[in-house]
Amino acid sequence: QSALTQPPSASGSPGQSVTMSCTGPSSDVGVYDQVSWYQQHPGKAPKLLIYEVNKRPSGVPDRFSGSKSGNTASLTVSGLQAEDEADYYCCSYTGSKKQFGGGTKLTVL
Amino acid sequence: QVQLQESGPGLVRPSGTLSLTCAVFGDSVRSSNWWSWVRQSPGKGLEWIGEVSRSGTTNYTPSLKSRVTISLDTSNNQFSLRLTSVTAEDTAVYYCVRDSSLIRGVGLDCWGPGTLVTVSS
Repeated sequence: QSALTQPPSASGSPGQSVTMSCTGPSSDVGVYDQVSWYQQHPGKAPKLLIYEVNKRPSGVPDRFSGSKSGNTASLTVSGLQAEDEADYYCCSYTGSKKQFGGGTKLTVL
Repeated sequence: QVQLQESGPGLVRPSGTLSLTCAVFGDSVRSSNWWSWVRQSPGKGLEWIGEVSRSGTTNYTPSLKSRVTISLDTSNNQFSLRLTSVTAEDTAVYYCVRDSSLIRGVGLDCWGPGTLVTVSS
């Protein structure tokens, strides 16, 4: 069982905004600005979307944004598009160990 | 452009040893980045297995630590995963991944396409 908790599903209509959460221990997510987020389409390798809580790699649309409040990190997708339908995973780092959340399946209605 | 490519047997017998190699193109395993393995069981989420640095320092997830070894092959610019005493629960797609040293914490910024390993007799 992962120490990072994500809701199993989320959904929204095209053009809407959706926020997905990732809750972890206060000693992990709550302290460090080291959460990253990954997008995975079916049958594909994951892709880095957000790092250090709220930074985007080159090429990632600014529709994707990250934030953190207390022990919970969040990923917001604004202006939902059909291509955003995918699985989203958060990942954190504690000492020498890295771990993923269980993932959230985003459905675009 | 950095590319990673996994290779190895797609079928491993129960109680056997799973061995995979990741060839790195466009970067050097001698760089300051860390080199990781992540797996995904069918229909399940991502699981971080472990990582190796250029100095050979390794970190492993606690649940697999007794069975896993990750090592570097600097002469061929690749790194490897070895998992012993496998069972059906080790059936998964295995990804090799670069963890960028430019990112604090965890920044898995380059992934191989993944390779399916099935544990079955």
